[in-house]
Amino acid sequence: DTAVSQTPKYLVTQMGNDKSIKCEQNLGHDTMYWYKQDSKKFLKIMFSYNNKELIINETVPNRFSPKSPDKAHLNLHINSLELGDSAVYFCASSQAGTANYGYTFGSGTRLTVV
Amino acid sequence: QQPVQSPQAVILREGEDAVINCSSSKALYSVHWYRQKHGEAPVFLMILLKGGEQKGHDKISASFNEKKQQSSLYLTASQLSYSGTYFCGTGYNFNKFYFGSGTKLNVKP
Repeated sequence: DTAVSQTPKYLVTQMGNDKSIKCEQNLGHDTMYWYKQDSKKFLKIMFSYNNKELIINETVPNRFSPKSPDKAHLNLHINSLELGDSAVYFCASSQAGTANYGYTFGSGTRLTVV
Repeated sequence: QQPVQSPQAVILREGEDAVINCSSSKALYSVHWYRQKHGEAPVFLMILLKGGEQKGHDKISASFNEKKQQSSLYLTASQLSYSGTYFCGTGYNFNKFYFGSGTKLNVKP
């Protein structure tokens, strides 16, 4: 059983489109995250939810909107996609908090905007 | 608040040792270490909480010097499977956490 699963694995889309990435974890973790990894491999936090409540919302364009229907799911919707949004997006989860416990990452979604 | 990792890249022969450093300009609450292989997700290696501890499993260990606000990852007798990019992550309180820019490790036969 995959601990943190995200879909799709690859996403190629045109500028201006709207797309969603889904994430689910079966570890019973309380906290879930979205990270963006750019071409230089830098991992940047985008959002964090703890028990469905938004606790971290970094400086991200408001075209990005997370949604957590329950503590096992965290989805990411992106409106009006731009070329600069091309990156690998990782979902992750941890037992609690952000600093206290190790993260389990999903396999990533490679988004290419053309 | 992003920690600084050094070196940026390391090339080793199998069996050699390596040290990767992670330092912060602010007081640390915790340090995480992850390894990411090409095309894969980062994988959690270990976490060190404030207290100046050392942790390890197998031939990979880490230390955390709270006073110096830094951590080091030690890889001894490196194997081909150790190749990848190593990230440290630093926690400043319950909800403030940042990854370093990574150290690319290449172990050659």
